[in-house]
Amino acid sequence: EDKVVQSPLSLVVHEGDTVTLNCSYEVTNFRSLLWYKQEKKAPTFLFMLTSSGIEKKSGRLSSILDKKELFSILNITATQTGDSAVYLCAVRGGSQGNLIFGKGTKLSVKP
Amino acid sequence: DVKVTQSSRYLVKRTGEKVFLECVQDMDHENMFWYRQDPGLGLRLIYFSYDVKMKEKGDIPEGYSVSREKKERFSLILESASTNQTSMYLCASSLFWLPTGRYTGELFFGEGSRLTVL
Repeated sequence: EDKVVQSPLSLVVHEGDTVTLNCSYEVTNFRSLLWYKQEKKAPTFLFMLTSSGIEKKSGRLSSILDKKELFSILNITATQTGDSAVYLCAVRGGSQGNLIFGKGTKLSVKP
Repeated sequence: DVKVTQSSRYLVKRTGEKVFLECVQDMDHENMFWYRQDPGLGLRLIYFSYDVKMKEKGDIPEGYSVSREKKERFSLILESASTNQTSMYLCASSLFWLPTGRYTGELFFGEGSRLTVL
């Protein structure tokens, strides 16, 4: 069965800390891995990764994919309270090519 | 700007009622999806559609049906709502993948419809 596992499930840090969120997967017909940020409403797209070892970066956020070890990490440096959210990892693959979501990591950044 | 609109943000219904959740996208996307999101379970795919009048079952289709009469609109129907269908429902859309490479893996989500069934 295809699955995506995120860890930790929740995390509390203080402003200025650096955090690393993990996403491992076992998905047939892998096509891409995506990260989303969800605050109170709709998930918003962060990154899409298709190739191993190529870091994607946007401001204080960065992500990298390892297709050999079947995982990805999302790094957030110098965290701010506005980074508090649930971060979702999703892998496109499986028999239908749809996105398979992990359960998310809830990040709380304290002032 | 990309826009996926769900008509109802909050609904309260009684057991046995028929419930319609409407979703409209203005991006001319071929693909549309309905997910439900529950604490500890993440997002689970209910149904999706690759084209008008076309529908495919996702991971948890039981108790739900869908309708896609127009490209921009995808409706989720609960024929007889039950308390275990209390949840946040998220609609999403995406472009279709073509061999020419016109493809994005990105889903665009609506704001969600929080349904409570009493």
